[in-house]
Amino acid sequence: AQSVTQPDIHITVSEGASLELRCNYSYGATPYLFWYVQSPGQGLQLLLKYFSGDTLVQGIKGFEAEFKRSQSSFNLRKPSVHWSDAAEYFCAVGGRGGGNKLTFGTGTQLKVEL
Amino acid sequence: DVKVTQSSRYLVKRTGEKVFLECVQDMDHENMFWYRQDPGLGLRLIYFSYDVKMKEKGDIPEGYSVSREKKERFSLILESASTNQTSMYLCASSPGSEALRSGYTFGSGTRLTVV
Repeated sequence: AQSVTQPDIHITVSEGASLELRCNYSYGATPYLFWYVQSPGQGLQLLLKYFSGDTLVQGIKGFEAEFKRSQSSFNLRKPSVHWSDAAEYFCAVGGRGGGNKLTFGTGTQLKVEL
Repeated sequence: DVKVTQSSRYLVKRTGEKVFLECVQDMDHENMFWYRQDPGLGLRLIYFSYDVKMKEKGDIPEGYSVSREKKERFSLILESASTNQTSMYLCASSPGSEALRSGYTFGSGTRLTVV
């Protein structure tokens, strides 16, 4: 079965500081990996995705993520956080073996201090 | 852009009521999904559908049913609402042929309170 672990429930960073959100997945074959962001009271917006090729993927809003097969990880990074990045972030995994279903992590709540 | 529209942002219903949550997408997507979101639990899949009149159970289908009579509309039904179904409900859709390459498009959610 596919699964995702986001070990950090809450993270607080200062505006302008760098950010890394952790994601570990379990999947039997090459996974499809996603990061979504959810602003308060809103649905989820896709930040970036990985399914093959270059293991460093660029997304919207200045975010990037790196797929590391040996560590079963897909961590999200941003070099300089803006106050508007405060939101909840979800990592998700899927693959052909699981049909078209995505399995989501429990989320990381990001707080940005001014 | 694909739009996924959930008919209600907030709903308050009484215990035992039959509740309908509606979701409509405008991009001819084959796949549609219903998730519930609870603090500390993330998103959990309730039901999904790959085509009209087709449905499959997700991870937590108990107490729920779904209907997909038209391709663009996917309804979630709480047969007899209970307080433990108080939650945020999120609908999503994706294209059929490259569903995972595209990712899902989500609606804005319906926050349901059962009293």
